[in-house]
Amino acid sequence: QVQMVESGGGVVQPGRSLRLSCAASGFIFSSYTLHWVRQAPGKGLEWVALITYDGGNKYYADSVKGRFTVSRDSSKNTFYVQMNSLRTEDTAVYFCARGLEVAATFCGLDVWGRGTTVTVSS
Amino acid sequence: DIQMTQSPSSLSASVGDRVTIACRASQSISSFLNWYQQKLGKAPKLLIHKASNLQSGVPSRFSGSGSGTDFILTISSLQPEDAATYYCQQSYSTPFTFGPGTKVDFK
Repeated sequence: QVQMVESGGGVVQPGRSLRLSCAASGFIFSSYTLHWVRQAPGKGLEWVALITYDGGNKYYADSVKGRFTVSRDSSKNTFYVQMNSLRTEDTAVYFCARGLEVAATFCGLDVWGRGTTVTVSS
Repeated sequence: DIQMTQSPSSLSASVGDRVTIACRASQSISSFLNWYQQKLGKAPKLLIHKASNLQSGVPSRFSGSGSGTDFILTISSLQPEDAATYYCQQSYSTPFTFGPGTKVDFK
């Protein structure tokens, strides 16, 4: 079935780096735009970044621009976010999600992973 | 960036009630508005896309309306399993901002 599974979360000190992965299955990976969305403890949803279906464009929230980098590997059906210079305010559950429409960017997110927890603390 | 607001921030209702949640964008987003339901400890679930399109598998008691800057999510007859937080999100331009959420529970 269609699913996305995040991994790579953990506890990290401020200023350090972490890479999250999102393994996708059950659909044609290279046809869909992919997103990261995060949720700080007790807070609402915050869109973080996307990479278009062809990998040609990447967009970021202002809060992570210059620190986070998204990428995708079609040979592994896996989506990544490299998080550098982590701050305490990056503490959150990180969800990966798929764009609803084939070969489209500006649409809703229809398939979500269960999330992976990142805690930034000294 | 486009800012999204929602009202109310929370509501309490009874089974069978008609519930409406409003979402407003800081500028026109045409119909690029999506609604999500999130239950505690779970991933969000897409309910409505492009303002009024019911996502596959979502019960017909959920509906969406609006365009431009003002949007409404309606639950026509609230069911016990609808207790959750509801978020709107614009997908008109990046960053794809979410509203702050509306928590729905039962009286």
